[in-house]
Amino acid sequence: AQSVTQLDSHVSVSEGTPVLLRCNYSSSYSPSLFWYVQHPNKGLQLLLKYTSAATLVKGINGFEAEFKKSETSFHLTKPSAHMSDAAEYFCVVSDLEGSQGNLIFGKGTKLSVKP
Amino acid sequence: DTEVTQTPKHLVMGMTNKKSLKCEQHMGHRAMYWYKQKAKKPPELMFVYSYEKLSINESVPSRFSPECPNSSLLNLHLHALQPEDSALYLCASSLGGTSGILYTQYFGPGTRLTVL
Repeated sequence: AQSVTQLDSHVSVSEGTPVLLRCNYSSSYSPSLFWYVQHPNKGLQLLLKYTSAATLVKGINGFEAEFKKSETSFHLTKPSAHMSDAAEYFCVVSDLEGSQGNLIFGKGTKLSVKP
Repeated sequence: DTEVTQTPKHLVMGMTNKKSLKCEQHMGHRAMYWYKQKAKKPPELMFVYSYEKLSINESVPSRFSPECPNSSLLNLHLHALQPEDSALYLCASSLGGTSGILYTQYFGPGTRLTVL
């Protein structure tokens, strides 16, 4: 069975410093992995996705993630945090055992950005 | 264009009311989803429609009734809800299929539901 673990429930950084949000996954298959962002009282926005192409995936707003099969990780990074990055971030794996590609969500990491 | 729209944005209803949530997409997607999200939690899948047929019902109480009138529209009919049903209801859509890019899901902004 697939699963995903976000290693930090809350990350706090200063504006202009790097961001690292950690995610480990478990999958018997070659997984599809996603990062979504949710700003307060908003829907989920797709940041980036890995679907077995390049292992370094670039997303929107300067975010990127690297798929590391040996470490079963898919950490999200950004070189320089902006105040507008403050939000909840979900690491997600697609449930390939189901027929619909259902999503399995991590519990989320809340990113706070200090001025 | 990866837009999924949802109406209304906010809904307050009593436990005896009947109301509906609406979701629309014009991306040609053939799979559509309803999720329920409680505060500080990830979304929980409720229903999946694939090619306008209900394919997954995650043991959702019958007071929630989904409907997919056509490939672009998804409704969620609500009746006799309980206060614990108060949550953010999210709609999503995907191309449909079994390979990665085909089931990338795009989410709408959600409807904030409060049941009094």
